Amino acid sequence: GAVVSQHPSRVICKSGTSVKIECRSLDFQATTMFWYRQFPKQSLMLMATSNEGSKATYEQGVEKDKFLINHASLTLSTLTVTSAHPEDSSFYICSARDGLVETNEKLFFGSGTQLSVL
Amino acid sequence: SQKIEQNSEALNIQEGKTATLTCNYTNYSPAYLQWYRQDPGRGPVFLLLIRENEKEKRKERLKVTFDTTLKQSLFHITASQPADSATYLCALNDYKLSFGAGTTVTVRA
Repeated sequence: GAVVSQHPSRVICKSGTSVKIECRSLDFQATTMFWYRQFPKQSLMLMATSNEGSKATYEQGVEKDKFLINHASLTLSTLTVTSAHPEDSSFYICSARDGLVETNEKLFFGSGTQLSVL
Repeated sequence: SQKIEQNSEALNIQEGKTATLTCNYTNYSPAYLQWYRQDPGRGPVFLLLIRENEKEKRKERLKVTFDTTLKQSLFHITASQPADSATYLCALNDYKLSFGAGTTVTVRA
């Protein structure tokens, strides 16, 4: 099946620094990628939809200047948490659809990034 | 937007028994509904998709039903094994794919 690679898997940083998370589709073209945030024992909350070559679409309440998304190619999307603070500590997960498959409703997820801001 | 409720946060069962998980939604019936498995510290993995015109879908020991009248999907794991222990998420499409909070299944040997 399709593989989505997400790095890093874990990052610890000081408050005020920026952290970049990469999401790559390894064997398919992902015209659309999604970024989620998940707190313990809670559901995945969609943060933004990333479309290759265009600006990301952010969900209500998500600060686009805080969470910068770049989708420069069909296989790579990045999420940068700028000036991270302890409240940004969370599990971040990316996902993608296989753009070449007609029935492409299912999502392929990365393995997630646990961000801890001290 | 849809409110998705997975009615049990945790389910503990004996190996070999059938686990039944419930997913209820509140608004209009989606065109399809999906189930995912998530292990601790990992991203979800797709298991099954069932469309609104399908009553039941099977994959190996997994079975999913979809009742648009009750606005409910049931997810069954038959002949459960300890390796089935994980959190199971239901998801349905609104204008986006929305997820329930999940049910954590623990299968005792």
